[in-house]
Order: sequence, then structure tokens, then C-alpha cells
Amino acid sequence: SQQGEEDPQALSIQEGENATMNCSYKTSINNLQWYRQNSGRGLVHLILIRSNEREKHSGRLRVTLDTSKKSSSLLITASRAADTASYFCATGQYGNKLVFGAGTILRVKS
Amino acid sequence: SQTIHQWPATLVQPVGSPLSLECTVEGTSNPNLYWYRQAAGRGLQLLFYSVGIGQISSEVPQNLSASRPQDRQFILSSKKLLLSDSGFYLCAWSVNGGGETQYFGPGTRLLVL
Repeated sequence: SQQGEEDPQALSIQEGENATMNCSYKTSINNLQWYRQNSGRGLVHLILIRSNEREKHSGRLRVTLDTSKKSSSLLITASRAADTASYFCATGQYGNKLVFGAGTILRVKS
Repeated sequence: SQTIHQWPATLVQPVGSPLSLECTVEGTSNPNLYWYRQAAGRGLQLLFYSVGIGQISSEVPQNLSASRPQDRQFILSSKKLLLSDSGFYLCAWSVNGGGETQYFGPGTRLLVL
């Protein structure tokens, strides 16, 4: 079964706008990660936030984590057409697993 | 730097035929290795993972098997493919276990007819 549930399932925005995607999960985690997947390609790791962290930045990416609500958000600022992709959250479980959500499809229109 | 290779990139196979997908990692030693399957428009389902040569953990009972004959080689196999085996197969590696960052290969698209 999938741990992370992304919301929305699909998002369409104009270039230059911000994109926000949310992820909820059910059990205790070691960390939460976000990955990007361009169509027909492998996944690319974007950012990892540990369970004792609340916010993390990487370039135009901002990730927040609220362990009390078991939720995370990914904000992409000043989006570009090249940001068009599927975005997955993955929860790092104690042990050897990453459990992925179903993903959010982001389309950035130029 | 580390790289991960998968081949073939695309495969069309008849039902009942065997399968062998290969994944190799370069530039690191003793990686944790993973096989995932992704159905169209869906997330990733972990199939197998390995923490060392000959050590395979299976996550779901199915028609597939995995082997790790060398430190940086991970093979996904089937003796007889089913229609339901169609999908996008991704190999990944990580330095450590514990759900840490994973690095993915380009994937193999398998179509079983």
C-alpha cells in the first residue's frame, strides 16, 4: 500500500507562478523526500527533509514538514516550462524502504 | 561520480516468455539496490531490495525474482511472463538503507503481449 498521498493529482499553472504540492502520510517516518520524474524517465531526487526538521530550501524549492499533521508541502517558486514533470513524495521508513505516493502531475504553460 | 545503467530501454515480449532485466552501478561499492515497478500514471511499487551479494528481500509475492550475482549488478527475472507484468521497471541504488536518498536508473519499459 502507498504511504504518501499527493494532492492535487494534477496542477496546471502559468510560467512564473508558484506551484504548491502537498503530501500526507500515515505512519512514523525517518525522513520525507521529493522526487521529480520527466515523462518516460527515471526519478531524480530533489530534496530530503528529516523528521526533526520543519523547513528546508534548495534553490527555487521549499519543503515543509509537519510531523504532527503527518504532512509535507513542496513549493516551486517562479516556475518554468522545464519544471513540467510528475512530482512524488516518498517517506523514508526505518529499515530499508522508501514508500512512494502516486504523484502530482505539474504542467507549466509558457 | 556514480552512474546507474539499465538495459534494455524497451522490451516487447510474448506472454509465457522469460525475462531478464539488468541493472549495474558504477563508481560506488556495496550499494543497496532496489527494483521498482511503475504502472502507467501511478507511483512506484517496491519489488525487491538487496543489501549485499546474494541477499535479496522480496516485498510482494509475484511472478518475478531478483538476483545479485556481483556487488554492483542486480537482475530482475521471470520464467514465464504474464500480461500483468507490463510496466515501467526502475532500478535504484542508495549508499545506506534506512530509507535514505535513492538514485534511479533510466528505466525499462516492458510490454507483454
